Amino acid sequence: GQQLNQSPQSMFIQEGEDVSMNCTSSSIFNTWLWYKQDPGEGPVLLIALYKAGELTSNGRLTAQFGITRKDSFLNISASIPSDVGIYFCAGPSGIRAGNEKLTFGTGTRLTIIP
Amino acid sequence: KAGVTQTPRYLIKTRGQQVTLSCSPISGHRSVSWYQQTPGQGLQFLFEYFSETQRNKGNFPGRFSGRQFSNSRSEMNVSTLELGDSALYLCASSLGTGLNEKLFFGSGTQLSVL
Repeated sequence: GQQLNQSPQSMFIQEGEDVSMNCTSSSIFNTWLWYKQDPGEGPVLLIALYKAGELTSNGRLTAQFGITRKDSFLNISASIPSDVGIYFCAGPSGIRAGNEKLTFGTGTRLTIIP
Repeated sequence: KAGVTQTPRYLIKTRGQQVTLSCSPISGHRSVSWYQQTPGQGLQFLFEYFSETQRNKGNFPGRFSGRQFSNSRSEMNVSTLELGDSALYLCASSLGTGLNEKLFFGSGTQLSVL
């Protein structure tokens, strides 16, 4: 089946630093999604990408859909304490081309060091 | 507009028992998906229901089942619980009628099997 590998697995940064993480797939995705999960909560959609090469921003977050359609990147600029959490990439893998059946990446845990 | 509501929030069961988890989607959403999240396996898709019919299914044993009611509320059931079923069970809802729809997750039910 499809697998999504995220790196790094965890990051320890200081407030104000920029963050970069990526996600690679063994197969092509037509949609890339980035989610953030806070402790004790469900994932929340941050950014959705629908076209190879697409670059999309949401505030301090920027994500890119790789041109090979097998990877995606998420950058966070000037990190703040509320950025702490686990970031997941995801892509649809259902029979329909909708987003109801998602394959999730392994996650990148972001910790901010005081 | 109320978000996705999952009950109960926490559950403790013993091996061999069965459990039923409930999910109320966002009003107007007809698709409900279920995911299992464990530290070792990450987020894994269980199944998706749309208009009371299972539309997508993941690779879980038959002990995991679900259903959807006419008001789009969904339940999932796990029979003959095993220690490895301890996990956070997440429900997500969407309109379910088009491409590239956003999935909205609930806060999950944390199941512990002793």
